[in-house]
Amino acid sequence: GAGVSQSPSNKVTEKGKDVELRCDPISGHTALYWYRQSLGQGLEFLIYFQGNSAPDKSGLPSDRFSAERTGGSVSTLTIQRTQQEDSAVYLCASSLARGQGAWYGYTFGSGTRLTVV
Amino acid sequence: AQSVTQPDIHITVSEGASLELRCNYSYGATPYLFWYVQSPGQGLQLLLKYFSGDTLVQGIKGFEAEFKRSQSSFNLRKPSVHWSDAAEYFCAVGGRVGGSQGNLIFGKGTKLSVKP
Repeated sequence: GAGVSQSPSNKVTEKGKDVELRCDPISGHTALYWYRQSLGQGLEFLIYFQGNSAPDKSGLPSDRFSAERTGGSVSTLTIQRTQQEDSAVYLCASSLARGQGAWYGYTFGSGTRLTVV
Repeated sequence: AQSVTQPDIHITVSEGASLELRCNYSYGATPYLFWYVQSPGQGLQLLLKYFSGDTLVQGIKGFEAEFKRSQSSFNLRKPSVHWSDAAEYFCAVGGRVGGSQGNLIFGKGTKLSVKP
């Protein structure tokens, strides 16, 4: 597609429920990143995909968080048993590749605002 | 460890005034440096980037930034601010080599308000 698409744009869920957040990167972008943006905390790296594999999951805050990517394209971030501290904006970004090409900047989606009540 | 500090959480300037947003980084080698802007409800848009060469880089929307290695800084400037520049601005650093290559580290952002 023309840009990075994220869905839903807003999600309100009850504490303890599972949620799935979707990211559809720019066609041909092999690298995909998830970040979390909490109020006053800036952007926190969560996970990086190169193709369908995730060589760097170091930012996932707990084992309630998982992510997958299929067909080298769409990625889903799943949060199980949501907690109120999971409330944040989850941003996805894609780039041509990691390494030299990736330094020409990421293209970010508009994010999913998750509210856990 | 890599880190980015944006000392100013919130800045208010008058329309037409000049602007400087501060960014300091900590990194063990020469970094890649970026400035992004985020308007309310939007994703992040790249304003400019520094990889190497000329330490004064020009970006979109009339912004520029200067890399000062001695001060570990990459401050963003604009000579005359427009009301549409009101947004949140993020400085980011990326590594050239090593296990964290590809993962940008972001500052906590500076919110810019513009007075008429």
